Amino acid sequence: SQTIHQWPATLVQPVGSPLSLECTVEGTSNPNLYWYRQAAGRGLQLLFYSVGIGQISSEVPQNLSASRPQDRQFILSSKKLLLSDSSFYLCAWSETQFYGYTFGSGTRLTVV
Amino acid sequence: SQQGEEDPQALSIQEGENATMNCSYKTSINNLQWYRQNSGRGLVHLILIRSNEREKHSGRLRVTLDTSKKSSSLLITASRAADTASYFCATDAGNTGKLIFGQGTTLQVKP
Repeated sequence: SQTIHQWPATLVQPVGSPLSLECTVEGTSNPNLYWYRQAAGRGLQLLFYSVGIGQISSEVPQNLSASRPQDRQFILSSKKLLLSDSSFYLCAWSETQFYGYTFGSGTRLTVV
Repeated sequence: SQQGEEDPQALSIQEGENATMNCSYKTSINNLQWYRQNSGRGLVHLILIRSNEREKHSGRLRVTLDTSKKSSSLLITASRAADTASYFCATDAGNTGKLIFGQGTTLQVKP
């Protein structure tokens, strides 16, 4: 069966520090991968999505970047965090657009 | 940009009652999906309804889709305290493979 792993669960980082959040999927190949951000009490904002290795589409210009170095690995990064980057970050995968997404458990990022 | 908008934003009911949440969207879709999120957790996929379907059931869940009105509803029958969560509708943006989520409905079921 397919599983998705996202870590860490919580992270407190100082302003100006780098960020690396990792997401891996098991039990499937060539998944569509997604990074979302969710402000408190709000809906999800799509940040990046990838349909294959090295193929990244950015939805929102910002202080973040994404990479897909391996088929089932998706990384969210920042060179210098801002206070406004504090949020709940969610990784997800799907087989195609015609199937539901499976989400990771999320990372609560607090920038101080 | 927001594609799906849920209504109401918050809903509080007693255990055993039915809960109805609505979702409206703006552009044509291939499918519409409903998700559930417990506080501080990831989202869980509940049900997917395709644009050529009008109604779908899964256990105590019933989803309807009216493409002429660009709207969908999620009905949870015989609610339980464990149904307390936020519920989101999501629509695909054409053939891009991306899901656009609404702001969600927060459901509280009182025991």
